Amino acid sequence: DAKTTQPTSMDCAEGRAANLPCNHSTISGNEYVYWYRQIHSQGPQYIIHGLKNNETNEMASLIITEDRKSSTLILPHATLRDTAVYYCIALGANTGNQFYFGTGTSLTVIP
Amino acid sequence: KAGVTQTPRYLIKTRGQQVTLSCSPISGHRSVSWYQQTPGQGLQFLFEYFSETQRNKGNFPGRFSGRQFSNSRSEMNVSTLELGDSALYLCASSLQVAETQYFGPGTRLLVL
Repeated sequence: DAKTTQPTSMDCAEGRAANLPCNHSTISGNEYVYWYRQIHSQGPQYIIHGLKNNETNEMASLIITEDRKSSTLILPHATLRDTAVYYCIALGANTGNQFYFGTGTSLTVIP
Repeated sequence: KAGVTQTPRYLIKTRGQQVTLSCSPISGHRSVSWYQQTPGQGLQFLFEYFSETQRNKGNFPGRFSGRQFSNSRSEMNVSTLELGDSALYLCASSLQVAETQYFGPGTRLLVL
């Protein structure tokens, strides 16, 4: 079962930072937090993942709270092409090492 | 590197028929997972293969089966198709089990 909760939908103005929250209060110490996104009818796209430390790559930044109970995915300058469903996933032995995709957050970037 | 490829991309079948979908993972990836995505149920895990062995299986009936070949390519089969099997079937590959998965474009199956 999914161990994360996310808001159903969010809007963001084009050019602004999009901050997508994820709650994973029951995550265990060895479970990674993964983020994927899915643009309509395409395969999910890997964005970023982390364990304890904040992570940044060319697509986004991942901020994980010190207690690891929540995290935030940051798209620094949202574009219309970032409109998608974003999934936050906890991966580890407690989840059978399987990716459980919940309902995600539908992000709409507004011109 | 080439990404994950899936064939065919689109398929129309009738109830009672069977179907085989194919997935070629990223070169060097040894783990392949399959998912079913429907509007009502979202993305659901079907099964995962690593080194030609099924490692994990989701909660799907026995009509859904799969296999992996020595070159890591994988196929999934659905027998006795039902209308509810209409879905987007996604394949993902990773270097090892429980590592970052990279998805293919999917096969869209319509059962009439």
